[in-house]
Amino acid sequence: AAGVIQSPRHLIKEKRETATLKCYPIPRHDTVYWYQQGPGQDPQFLISFYEKMQSDKGSIPDRFSAQQFSDYHSELNMSSLELGDSALYFCASSLAGQAGPEQYFGPGTRLTVT
Amino acid sequence: AQKVTQAQTEISVVEKEDVTLDCVYETRDTTYYLFWYKQPPSGELVFLIRRNSFDEQNEISGRYSWNFQKSTSSFNFTITASQVVDSAVYFCALNAGGTSYGKLTFGQGTILTVHP
Repeated sequence: AAGVIQSPRHLIKEKRETATLKCYPIPRHDTVYWYQQGPGQDPQFLISFYEKMQSDKGSIPDRFSAQQFSDYHSELNMSSLELGDSALYFCASSLAGQAGPEQYFGPGTRLTVT
Repeated sequence: AQKVTQAQTEISVVEKEDVTLDCVYETRDTTYYLFWYKQPPSGELVFLIRRNSFDEQNEISGRYSWNFQKSTSSFNFTITASQVVDSAVYFCALNAGGTSYGKLTFGQGTILTVHP
């Protein structure tokens, strides 16, 4: 079965640079979530989109922005990168219409800021 | 606010032992959903189970079983006859409010190591 696709899988950037992470949800899934997982920590919710509209917002820095496109894929844009942004970034997708939906996670993008 | 607590930071067992991972949650919502995810060394998050607040039936899936008790706000996970491949970080998570696009609040995770 098709899973959530994230690209790139690994990314190395320098401080103050920008990065764009992409997420392609499971076919027919219309809701996308972004999570950030620091080393040895639990995933922290950043933001979610349902039908191309922002549906919920967590602890996402103002330097980050995201959107969902008409084909339901999503991009997380990160600017003025800081060392503390180094983390594993997960995208998850789910199908709306079910309360408390099962979220299926992609393999993650490991971002390293040097 | 929602909160999930996994008091066991690390657990080490020998293969074939049974092991229980504890999860305690806090929420004021009457409708909520609980999840367990597995994160093996490769890093991906693998969905294991979803349980809603109205269903307190225990569930068994092969060597895995889950015990949900609203009275103690707990959703514990037991692995029977553990295997080396069970070695991973296990996260308990909560989705409160019953929306169809709600975020997950994760516990701190429990590192399970199964020795041969």
